[in-house]
Order: sequence, then C-alpha cells, then structure tokens
Amino acid sequence: SYALTQPPSVSVSPGQTARITCSGDALADQYVNWYQQRPGQAPVMVIYKDTERPSGIPERFSGSSSGTTVTLTISGVLPEDETDYYCQSADNSGTDLVFGGGTKLTVL
Amino acid sequence: QVQLVESGGGVVQSGRSLRLSCAASGFTFSAYHMHWVRQGPGKGLEWLAIISYDGSDKNYADSVKGRFTISRDNSKNTLNLQMDGLRVEDTAVYYCAKDDGVTSGMDAWGHGTTVSV
Repeated sequence: SYALTQPPSVSVSPGQTARITCSGDALADQYVNWYQQRPGQAPVMVIYKDTERPSGIPERFSGSSSGTTVTLTISGVLPEDETDYYCQSADNSGTDLVFGGGTKLTVL
Repeated sequence: QVQLVESGGGVVQSGRSLRLSCAASGFTFSAYHMHWVRQGPGKGLEWLAIISYDGSDKNYADSVKGRFTISRDNSKNTLNLQMDGLRVEDTAVYYCAKDDGVTSGMDAWGHGTTVSV
C-alpha cells in the first residue's frame, strides 16, 4: 500500500527554522496537507494544497514542494510549536488517502 | 463556527460491533464529503473512510474494508461509522473530520471518541 515517509523527529532551537519533509511516489501529482497535533487534542490543519495556509494559522508556517518531496517550514520557531506534525495526501488514483508517520518537533 | 461532536465509543469485546456517530453543525453538512480517522495509543493518524456529500460514494482503507461501514444522514447532519468484527488492533481514538473541498484534506475535526477492544 502507498506510504508517506516523514522523519520521526526534528530538533531546532527557539527562533531558528524547522523543516519537516514528507516523501511519497505520488507527491508529484497529488497535493499534500499538513496537520499539527498537540498531546490529547485533535489535529489542526496548518497547510493545505502544498503551500496554502488556512485562516488563523501564523505566517511562520509555510509549505513547499519539489518533485516527490514536500516540506513544512516553521520560521522563527516558538516553544509552543513543539509537538507532532503529520503530512497527508492521496495515492496516484486519488481515492486512497494516507498520513505520514508523523514527526515530533523538539524545540531545544 | 464548525463543530463536530463524536459519540458512541466505549469498551467492547473482540468480535463485537459498535456504532459511532458524529453530530455536525456550523456549516452546510450536505455540501461536504466527510472522513473518519483514528489514532491508536501512542501511534500516528490513520485515515479510515470517506463518504461523498450525498452519500453515493464511499471508500475505505484496506485495514477496515469489509468490516466498517460509513454512512450519513443529511437530514440530521449526522455522520456514522458502523464497526463490525472488532479486533484488538482497532483500539483507538476515532475522529470525524470535514473535508476541505479542495484536496481531500480535513479542515475541521471533532474531539474524538475512544474505542477499546
């Protein structure tokens, strides 16, 4: 079955830039969405359609895409950004949806 | 604002059934596809199923295909998930989520309901 690959963890110092990647064979043809999930809470969409930011999401969150890899970038990381992030997309048919395994962002 | 409230979770024996519901408000429910997503203890998110805005099309993850059935009642703004033949590995928090109408992403989520098998 189709899979998206994320690094299990990323560490960054406060104020620095964090980059979380998501790789998948179909990503050149399918959009990716990103979600932030705090412990004990439901996920929140932070990026959709590879690069778009939903209303209410801080500008420090951005997305980019290159071939079969997409990247969530968090600029000027704050301590409150320390949590889990998931990418989500669809397979080549567009009918089966899938989440990446998740990345724990640690703010040192 | 958009509100999604799941219910129906609980403790159930392996092999039994359970029906989850999700009450939607704050948006035109009948205009949007809807999803179920789950998260096992200490695990990542797993997409389970999608239903089209009018209920005519459904699709499932392989892990639940043939055991779970997604449905909706647009007259009651309610989304359902019928879970049959439950297994220990189905233990998870189950979320309903609203489709974003653009990318099959999920732009609003409920708080989740816990199922323990």
